[in-house]
Amino acid sequence: KQEVTQIPAALSVPEGENLVLNCSFTDSAIYNLQWFRQDPGKGLTSLLLIQSSQREQTSGRLNASLDKSSGRSTLYIAASQPGDSATYLCAVRGVTGGGNKLTFGTGTQLKVEL
Amino acid sequence: EPEVTQTPSHQVTQMGQEVILRCVPISNHLYFYWYRQILGQKVEFLVSFYNNEISEKSEIFDDQFSVERPDGSNFTLKIRSTKLEDSAMYFCASSEDLQGGEKLFFGSGTQLSVL
Repeated sequence: KQEVTQIPAALSVPEGENLVLNCSFTDSAIYNLQWFRQDPGKGLTSLLLIQSSQREQTSGRLNASLDKSSGRSTLYIAASQPGDSATYLCAVRGVTGGGNKLTFGTGTQLKVEL
Repeated sequence: EPEVTQTPSHQVTQMGQEVILRCVPISNHLYFYWYRQILGQKVEFLVSFYNNEISEKSEIFDDQFSVERPDGSNFTLKIRSTKLEDSAMYFCASSEDLQGGEKLFFGSGTQLSVL
């Protein structure tokens, strides 16, 4: 059974700092990995999707890497801003079973302070 | 940008009552999903739906749950006899295709409270 873990659970940084969020998964048989942002009481916004054959994806100040063989992904946020404050979730789409579902981590709650 | 819309945003119901959560997926998407998130816990997969039938479901999705695409635009989740433990945020999602690599787009959720 796929298990997804995110470290740290919470992070507080001053504005402008670069930061790294970590995600690990136990079963490397995946189609892809997605990073989401969740604001309190709101839905999930997809940030980046990395296919299993890819090593990284970039969007603006965000860069996500994937090391499938070791079951790890990182989300790098450059020059953090207060507006980046949210919970960040990673989720993997596994090959086993029907291949239709995402398995989510518990998230990293990020606070960027002025 | 196209988005998945869910109604209502909040639903309060009495234990034992039936509820229907509604979703309008993105128009050209073919795959539809329901996920839920109990307060303070992980987002959990419930069911996926393609070509008018369930393609995969989790152990959570028991006989009290059902899904339907009653017309060309809506996708619904019915909970027949709600329990206290069904209280959660329910998310609908859709994807364009399923080659194993498609991005899921999520709605903003329906907060279900069972009293």
